[in-house]
Amino acid sequence: NAGVTQTPKFQVLKTGQSMTLQCAQDMNHEYMSWYRQDPGMGLRLIHYSVGAGITDQGEVPNGYNVSRSTTEDFPLRLLSAAPSQTSVYFCATGRETSGRSEQYFGPGTRLTVT
Amino acid sequence: GNSVTQMEGPVTLSEEAFLTINCTYTATGYPSLFWYVQYPGEGLQLLLKATKADDKGSNKGFEATYRKETTSFHLEKGSVQVSDSAVYFCALVGVFNGGSQGNLIFGKGTKLSVKP
Repeated sequence: NAGVTQTPKFQVLKTGQSMTLQCAQDMNHEYMSWYRQDPGMGLRLIHYSVGAGITDQGEVPNGYNVSRSTTEDFPLRLLSAAPSQTSVYFCATGRETSGRSEQYFGPGTRLTVT
Repeated sequence: GNSVTQMEGPVTLSEEAFLTINCTYTATGYPSLFWYVQYPGEGLQLLLKATKADDKGSNKGFEATYRKETTSFHLEKGSVQVSDSAVYFCALVGVFNGGSQGNLIFGKGTKLSVKP
């Protein structure tokens, strides 16, 4: 039982490159989400999903795309990386779409865009 | 809209000192309130939670009480240890028309350093 896994752990991109951050969970959770963590800003929600085939935008969705074709996977795509997207990205899952239950966070991906 | 405000850090304490990290919130209805902890180089993990007014969440010697009258959820620990050094985040999940919106709203985090 791996919980929430994220790959890669570290990534350096040049401005304009694209990439996909992977998030996978083996807990059969309906709710999955992506956050970015920046110094002094706390965590901000990028996109979330309440089930396979359903996604929605969070607080800071611009520059990011997501899809949810299976319960287990929730990849985050950067179509054209910008230096402003330098951050630490966390994927989180939850048992209930209500969000009242505990949410489980992955270990994070540290992304640098030069 | 919903928001969380927590005391800015960093906070530096000596081992066995008393800890308080203040957290206040703005929300409609009766949100659920959480404290998450992030140890260096790791993701966040739930420390404790409270889902209704006057509930007390507790875990690992930490406590926080949901105070609706003061819209607060302050984190306390009577005697901190070096291993408590981490960043602590207060968070809420809002309620709208009787249902939760499902998304955590975080404070900016408070870094705690405990010296031996």
